[in-house]
Amino acid sequence: DIQMTQSPSSLSASVGDRVTITCRASQDISKSLAWYQQRPGQVPRLLIYTASILQSGVPSRFSGSGSGTEFTLTIDSLQPEDVATYYCQKYNTVPNTFGGGTKVEIK
Amino acid sequence: EVQLVQSGAEVKKPGESLKISCQGFGFSFISFWIGWVRQRPGRGLEWMGIIFPDDSDTRYNPSFQGQVTISANKSSRTAYLQWSSLEASDTAIYYCVRHRPQSASYILSWGQGTLVTVSS
Repeated sequence: DIQMTQSPSSLSASVGDRVTITCRASQDISKSLAWYQQRPGQVPRLLIYTASILQSGVPSRFSGSGSGTEFTLTIDSLQPEDVATYYCQKYNTVPNTFGGGTKVEIK
Repeated sequence: EVQLVQSGAEVKKPGESLKISCQGFGFSFISFWIGWVRQRPGRGLEWMGIIFPDDSDTRYNPSFQGQVTISANKSSRTAYLQWSSLEASDTAIYYCVRHRPQSASYILSWGQGTLVTVSS
């Protein structure tokens, strides 16, 4: 099975900072990658699919890029409501494995 | 409004059986892959498997194959996740999820989660 590795596992940044999270696949998954946000105590929600398409209703400060085996999620200007754990997920073939998550906190 | 309404929290003993449910509202239940995601306490998300309710085509994550059974009843718009013999390591929140239409790809909607606690 394809493994998904996220880095870093956690980060702390200031409000207004640009934050970048990386997700690496152990094999080529083309652009079959989604990003989810899980705020503390909440259910996850879809942010981005097909590596770079923003889900409806998601603020434009979120963006995704990449293809093949390396992907990034960028938050352009970190806001307090962005405190959450972010997960990537590949879906080219079953199982649709998640990455281990990146916990984002405010400094 | 699309909703996935899951059954309530459960407390079970090791070795007991359990079946939890997820009922879909506000969408064509037979047109979407419905799946289950596990989240152990303080841990990440784990994709368990999916079912297409129209024909009950089911796909499992090999890590969960043989450990759980996923099923669905299209007439009652309900998906199920069941265990025949629970272990303490099954303690987790289980989310019912709806994938994009006609595709076992990314997850569009999540249920509220069902907390399963297994303890002697």
